[in-house]
Amino acid sequence: QVQLQESGPGLMKPSETLSLTCTVSGGPIGSYYWSWIRQSPGKGLEWIGYIYYLGTTNYNPSLKGRVTISVDSSRKQFSLELNSVTAADTAVYYCARSRVFGSGSYSGAFDIWGRGAMVTVSS
Amino acid sequence: DIQMTQSPSSLSASVGDRVTITCRASQNIDNFLHWYQQKPGQAPKLLIYFASDLQSGVPSRFSGSGSGTVFTLLISSLHPDDFATYFCQQSIDSPNTFGGGTTVQL
Repeated sequence: QVQLQESGPGLMKPSETLSLTCTVSGGPIGSYYWSWIRQSPGKGLEWIGYIYYLGTTNYNPSLKGRVTISVDSSRKQFSLELNSVTAADTAVYYCARSRVFGSGSYSGAFDIWGRGAMVTVSS
Repeated sequence: DIQMTQSPSSLSASVGDRVTITCRASQNIDNFLHWYQQKPGQAPKLLIYFASDLQSGVPSRFSGSGSGTVFTLLISSLHPDDFATYFCQQSIDSPNTFGGGTTVQL
């Protein structure tokens, strides 16, 4: 069965760049959309953005300018970079797969999730 | 951004109860509405997609309905495993947005 695993630093300082990687196992990375979603007590669940396996991206405008999502299909990995982090970026970060519908359109229904990576930003 | 409002924010129920959770969108989202269950320390789990389609492996006591701006998640007979927090999410527009959650507790 398909599994996702996030990896990255747990503790960061303000102004640093957050880098997280999600590894896909048990299934293909092709033909799906891959998202990053975060969850914090103060802001609930927040969608960060997605990347299609061919490289098309879509980001949350609230983070635009700070976020980049990339994919390495050969390694079956996709990654999140968030620069200039502050305490407000402290959250559990999830990677997730979106179902597709029709002829490969983004559904936004996240059927597979990673276990989550806790990221704390503190000086 | 499309705002998703869930009600109630929490509810108390007993095993066997019929539970209804409502999600309202600030504008028409057609049927691009999905429901998740989340337990403490775990990632959300997809229950219902496109308002009423049951995700594979999810018990049939869960059902979803609605279209446009008002949606409902129904648990027909609450099981002990169903005490959790439930979220709705829209995906018709970017950014995708989630409701604030409904906690079902004893």
